Amino acid sequence: QVQLVESGGGVVLPGRSLRLSCAASGFTFSSYAMHWVRQAPGKGLEWVAVISYDGSNKYYADSVKGRFTISRDNSKNTLYLQMNSLRPEDTAVYYCARGKGLMTAHLWGQGTLVTVSS
Amino acid sequence: QSALTQPASVSGSPGQSITISCTGTSSDVGVYNYVSWYQHHPGKAPKLMISDVSNRPSGVSNRFSGSKSGNTASLTISGLQAEDEADYYCSSYTSSSTVVFGGGTKLTVL
Repeated sequence: QVQLVESGGGVVLPGRSLRLSCAASGFTFSSYAMHWVRQAPGKGLEWVAVISYDGSNKYYADSVKGRFTISRDNSKNTLYLQMNSLRPEDTAVYYCARGKGLMTAHLWGQGTLVTVSS
Repeated sequence: QSALTQPASVSGSPGQSITISCTGTSSDVGVYNYVSWYQHHPGKAPKLMISDVSNRPSGVSNRFSGSKSGNTASLTISGLQAEDEADYYCSSYTSSSTVVFGGGTKLTVL
């Protein structure tokens, strides 16, 4: 069965960096676009970024553009989110999701919590 | 990108039907048939209930249905059950090649 397991969350100081990982199994990872979506405490879902199946196309929400980088290693079945210049408003549970194309986040992981605080 | 507009809350009794609206613009909902609906129980992974406006993924109950008219999409849940109580979010693909979510709707089953 499809499994997506996020890791790398934790507490980080404002202005610092953090890299999230999403380990995929149970499907042909290299055939699917992948998304990152986040949910701040008490808030709704916010789409973060998407990467095409081969990594050639990447798109970002305005709120993270220039600070976050989405990438993937198809040989390791792993999705990444490099987060730089973190702000308190980046505090959230970060979910990875297998895409139904670039347009839809289909199957989701359980999420990893990132807290940006001094 | 501005979030899609959803009502903050809706409620209904078991067995009834409810509809949740999702209003966007001519740059997202109005121009693409890539509207999705998600069910989210707090502390769990969100679950895709409807994709491409009205398509139900395998395993999703046929009590859930989706539609769209102009810039507004809708999710209808018929025969409400206690387990349907959750937060529901719509999303749409946009003309910027991004995805935008709605603010979410809390469904209470009375």
